Amino acid sequence: EVQLVESGGGFVQPGGSLRVSCAASGFTFRDYWMSWVRQAPGKGLEWVANIIQDGTETYYVDSVRGRFTISRDNAKNSLYLQMNSLGAEDTAVYYCARENFGGNAPNFDYWGQGALVIVSS
Amino acid sequence: QSVLTQPPSMSAAPGQKVTISCSGSSSNIGNNDVSWYQQFPGTAPKVLIYHINKRPSGIPDRFSGSKSGTSATLAITGLQTGDEAEYHCGTWDSSLNAKVFGGGTKLTVL
Repeated sequence: EVQLVESGGGFVQPGGSLRVSCAASGFTFRDYWMSWVRQAPGKGLEWVANIIQDGTETYYVDSVRGRFTISRDNAKNSLYLQMNSLGAEDTAVYYCARENFGGNAPNFDYWGQGALVIVSS
Repeated sequence: QSVLTQPPSMSAAPGQKVTISCSGSSSNIGNNDVSWYQQFPGTAPKVLIYHINKRPSGIPDRFSGSKSGTSATLAITGLQTGDEAEYHCGTWDSSLNAKVFGGGTKLTVL
């Protein structure tokens, strides 16, 4: 059974940093592109970043580029999102998601349960 | 403000058909695939449709997708109370170089 389990969410002050992690199981992690998608309270979904199978290519939405870093450790079947210079606008549930079906559209077949990040003083 | 425009809410009676629209532009829906997600409160989204009109295994054929020009549509037939959820559309935007979503549509089944 495919499982994605996020961890590392919590409270952080504006300007602070936080790293969220996603532990994958039930599939060959190194074979898939992976993404982070976030959802602010009461809002729609926002794609944040994705990473190629071997970790050599990464892509970001403009609003986080230069502040967030997506990475992966295929030996540990884990995906990470390092978030720096956090602001109130980054408050959201952060989901890791497996990309499938091909193409550039948001084609995510499995999602984690989400990690809540709250940026507040 | 989302790149793709969806109606914030819709309602319909059990057994009826509902169509949820997703409006974009030539830089996104007009030239790219579309996917649709169903999300219940407090849970992660679940893919219903990918590549405009493909259903993953396990998704009933009551759910169907289509695209015309710069708009996409999710149709749900034979509405059930269990279909009451938020529905999100998504695609690629060539100008933004990003995957983008609509603001979501809250469907109420009366």
